Amino acid sequence: AQTVTQSQPEMSVQEAETVTLSCTYDTSESNYYLFWYKQPPSRQMILVIRQEAYKQQNATENRFSVNFQKAAKSFSLKISDSQLGDTAMYFCAFWKTSGSRLTFGEGTQLTVNP
Amino acid sequence: SAVISQKPSRDICQRGTSLTIQCQVDSQVTMMFWYRQQPGQSLTLIATANQGSEATYESGFVIDKFPISRPNLTFSTLTVSNMSPEDSSIYLCSVEDPTDNEKLFFGSGTQLSVL
Repeated sequence: AQTVTQSQPEMSVQEAETVTLSCTYDTSESNYYLFWYKQPPSRQMILVIRQEAYKQQNATENRFSVNFQKAAKSFSLKISDSQLGDTAMYFCAFWKTSGSRLTFGEGTQLTVNP
Repeated sequence: SAVISQKPSRDICQRGTSLTIQCQVDSQVTMMFWYRQQPGQSLTLIATANQGSEATYESGFVIDKFPISRPNLTFSTLTVSNMSPEDSSIYLCSVEDPTDNEKLFFGSGTQLSVL
């Protein structure tokens, strides 16, 4: 079974600065996907970014980028130029393949301060 | 991407009653997933619903408590039966992106409070 660990329950950052959220996972699979989801107070789970394990290049989506270290089983999220709207709970998630369950970490509450 | 409409967005229910949550997708999808998020917790998969077959439940979840319907490729319901305060949670449906089934999207969730 896969496990996902987010060791930072809470983090804060000043507006316009950069913050990195950590995630580690454990799996015996060689092919899989990793995701970061954002959950603001509205409860909506919003897909932030996806990384395919077979790709060496780190995924980037505008201000969001990941540092994927497959050997170390590490998958961190970097948010650049933080905005007040980035305030949310962030979940790291592991997904083996189509039709399987998403395994979530415990979440990191990020607060962006003005 | 897929647009997912989930209803109701929130409800307050009495102990012993049942609530049915609806999930409507704007395109046809093979599988729909139902998750539960207990207060302050992460998400846990309840069951996977395929059209035309019985839902597959995860360990700790049973059909009598969480019956699921999947009448077509764009719609599913989850019923929370004989509710107790421990059922107070956010319930979310999820689907794989029909154009890229390596992404999963979520509905807006149903906040359920049981008194």
